[in-house]
Amino acid sequence: AQSVTQLDSQVPVFEEAPVELRCNYSSSVSVYLFWYVQYPNQGLQLLLKYLSGSTLVKGINGFEAEFNKSQTSFHLRKPSVHISDTAEYFCAVSVRAAGNKLTFGGGTRVLVKP
Amino acid sequence: NAGVTQTPKFQVLKTGQSMTLQCAQDMNHNSMYWYRQDPGMGLRLIYYSASEGTTDKGEVPNGYNVSRLNKREFSLRLESAAPSQTSVYFCASSEAWNGYTFGSGTRLTVV
Repeated sequence: AQSVTQLDSQVPVFEEAPVELRCNYSSSVSVYLFWYVQYPNQGLQLLLKYLSGSTLVKGINGFEAEFNKSQTSFHLRKPSVHISDTAEYFCAVSVRAAGNKLTFGGGTRVLVKP
Repeated sequence: NAGVTQTPKFQVLKTGQSMTLQCAQDMNHNSMYWYRQDPGMGLRLIYYSASEGTTDKGEVPNGYNVSRLNKREFSLRLESAAPSQTSVYFCASSEAWNGYTFGSGTRLTVV
């Protein structure tokens, strides 16, 4: 079975600074990878996804992520964060052979400080 | 607005009571899911329905049942609620590999 590890449970960052959220997965077969964002008291929204092709994926709100197959990682980055980026971020993986079920990491809470 | 609608938004149950969480989507998606969210554990899959008429267990199905009433609706039932089922429950739907669309969640407390 696949699993997802988000290495940081909380990341404090100053406004306009860059941020990187780390995600590693384990799977013996090909995967699809996703990042979701959850604002307080809301559901999750899709930020970006990697299905195939270019390993650098651009998403909404200026976020991007890079798929690294050899390191089984899918780290999320933003070059300059805003106060409005304060939220919890979830990495998720889906195994291609097992339908469209997602396995989520434990989440990283980003707190952007002025 | 198109999306996934969950009801109720909040619920408090006494141990042993039963209830059904409702979920409906209007995007004509084939697949629907129920997850629970607990602090530090991310989201864990309870049950899913790959298509109308089918349901399968996920990672944490014990204590729950589901019904895929039609293509739009997928309900989650707690037959005898336990304090361990205190959580936030999310319904989601998807089509192919386009990612999930989530509802806004149901915050359930079992006392």
